[in-house]
Amino acid sequence: GAGVSQSPRYKVTKRGQDVALRCDPISGHVSLYWYRQALGQGPEFLTYFNYEAQQDKSGLPNDRFSAERPEGSISTLTIQRTEQRDSAMYRCASSLEGQGALGQYFGPGTRLTVL
Amino acid sequence: AQSVSQHNHHVILSEAASLELGCNYSYGGTVNLFWYVQYPGQHLQLLLKYFSGDPLVKGIKGFEAEFIKSKFSFNLRKPSVQWSDTAEYFCAVNAGTGGFKTIFGAGTRLFVKA
Repeated sequence: GAGVSQSPRYKVTKRGQDVALRCDPISGHVSLYWYRQALGQGPEFLTYFNYEAQQDKSGLPNDRFSAERPEGSISTLTIQRTEQRDSAMYRCASSLEGQGALGQYFGPGTRLTVL
Repeated sequence: AQSVSQHNHHVILSEAASLELGCNYSYGGTVNLFWYVQYPGQHLQLLLKYFSGDPLVKGIKGFEAEFIKSKFSFNLRKPSVQWSDTAEYFCAVNAGTGGFKTIFGAGTRLFVKA
């Protein structure tokens, strides 16, 4: 399809394991965003990219979280040594460059559960 | 720091009732304002946005929102709701100049009784 895709849709892991979440933005969208959404809350900004450059990572909660977008298209959000408090919905969004201020297109999200 | 406050976490209405969902933000500069909606089983999608001009903006499915700068508010309205409007609604804000970091409210779950 033409929308933002994310994989896996669901991930269950044990505490201490590393996980990698993938986002494939809409073709032609050069800006990509990661959000985390806890139950009963709105999406919380984590980081964003323009092309392959990470422009803002101020929302990453600690150094266990990292993100990359090496070729300016697909992005991976990696969480190392997962903890139970990392359990949440992780959402990816994309937009045309310069259009992030005018709205973003969201993917279906990855539901992460850390046991 | 920017923040967004949505007044109601849960709203229950009957079909044909009027809807108003409150949203207040805190940010001193120029802002872009959004309402996003998530229907059951679907992605978050943009309902409407304000970035300049007429403070009354119209979105999809008969929704509208009014930006009142003096009140730092961007309330969402619909004159007559339908069962299909059952969804979660999120208000969001980002800085008006090159603002990509979008801050979301906690959301309002709307349930419309048929």
